[in-house]
Amino acid sequence: DAKTTQPPSMDCAEGRAANLPCNHSTISGNEYVYWYRQIHSQGPQYIIHGLKNNETNEMASLIITEDRKSSTLILPHATLRDTAVYYCIVRVGGTDKLIFGTGTRLQVFP
Amino acid sequence: DTGVSQDPRHKITKRGQNVTFRCDPISEHNRLYWYRQTLGQGPEFLTYFQNEAQLEKSRLLSDRFSAERPKGSFSTLEIQRTEQGDSAMYLCASSKVGWPQHFGDGTRLSIL
Repeated sequence: DAKTTQPPSMDCAEGRAANLPCNHSTISGNEYVYWYRQIHSQGPQYIIHGLKNNETNEMASLIITEDRKSSTLILPHATLRDTAVYYCIVRVGGTDKLIFGTGTRLQVFP
Repeated sequence: DTGVSQDPRHKITKRGQNVTFRCDPISEHNRLYWYRQTLGQGPEFLTYFQNEAQLEKSRLLSDRFSAERPKGSFSTLEIQRTEQGDSAMYLCASSKVGWPQHFGDGTRLSIL
């Protein structure tokens, strides 16, 4: 199963863009990159996913490098409610099970 | 869409007792997953079902753990003879095949 590497923590000022990096150098061609976040005492919340093209939805944008070995999650205008642990995950094909790492703890400050 | 529901939210029990958790997935989701999360770690995959069939079990799932999804709807996770190391958050998720998983808010188990 592919592994991901993320910085343990990041800070971001409210209203600024938060750019969360992720390395997944051993990803296979048919494995998707997923991003979830987890706010304290809640279950993980799905944010976005992609295979090789950049993706955007109402929550965030996902930029995947051409070689697919890394990606960046962008929260365009961070708010205090975006403070959470963000997980970059490679989804195993077939079973769809998610292999979580330890994530990045994003702290948004006023 | 009422989301994934887990019951109870919290469970405190003495070591050696049996516990059972319930998960109600989002309707029409044919896949259901169980994960376990300990403090400071990301969730770890335990097992998953497609409809009523249990298709994969992690090595983390010892013989004391059993999961069922008898009618392809709700699922139960039972832990027999609980141990201190079983203290964790137990998370359930559901999805359609190939779609993102949606998680419940988990059952927090504390072993005294």
